[in-house]
Amino acid sequence: EAQVTQNPRYLITVTGKKLTVTCSQNMNHEYMSWYRQDPGLGLRQIYYSMNVEVTDKGDVPEGYKVSRKEKRNFPLILESPSPNQTSLYFCASSLSGTLNTEAFFGQGTRLTVV
Amino acid sequence: GENVEQHPSTLSVQEGDSAVIKCTYSDSASNYFPWYKQELGKRPQLIIDIRSNVGEKKDQRIAVTLNKTAKHFSLHITETQPEDSAVYFCAATPGEKTSYDKVIFGPGTSLSVIP
Repeated sequence: EAQVTQNPRYLITVTGKKLTVTCSQNMNHEYMSWYRQDPGLGLRQIYYSMNVEVTDKGDVPEGYKVSRKEKRNFPLILESPSPNQTSLYFCASSLSGTLNTEAFFGQGTRLTVV
Repeated sequence: GENVEQHPSTLSVQEGDSAVIKCTYSDSASNYFPWYKQELGKRPQLIIDIRSNVGEKKDQRIAVTLNKTAKHFSLHITETQPEDSAVYFCAATPGEKTSYDKVIFGPGTSLSVIP
């Protein structure tokens, strides 16, 4: 089954404790991205990747890191989480960013930083 | 950079009535406009999209119209059903060469269909 898988689904952590949210897709998609969803603000892009070893900042990259060492995986790293990073996070993948194609979203990760 | 506004933020309609959600964008070079539906507790899923070379697209009860001159596009849902209740997001992809790979979402519209 074609899908985007994120882990974990729920995470409660303390300020400053490094964490990684994993994202994996099995559709051989070139384009992957991370969004955070906050009430009234919709989906805001954090980072995106056009292909392996190619990443770039979205609109709200501060406090986040990403890597794309393999085509299928695109982990989101919070080196020193803060309470303002409490949010619902979605990973998404598309066949190609340049062709502007449908984005397939993961199940979401609800992160709480206390 | 691109900015996408979406109205209304909430919408309640009686079952069977039509619902219209409107989005405006700022970058005249934007060329792809998808609409996503997010049911409560679930992930966003594409329901329809339109490209800048097309003025209207229809898929059963759902249609999208694009007015490039006015820089707005709208989602039309006819004969609404309770299962249409969800949050709907519009999006635009900027046409600038340096940022053509970004996707900018609107803030969302919460649609409630009252049986």
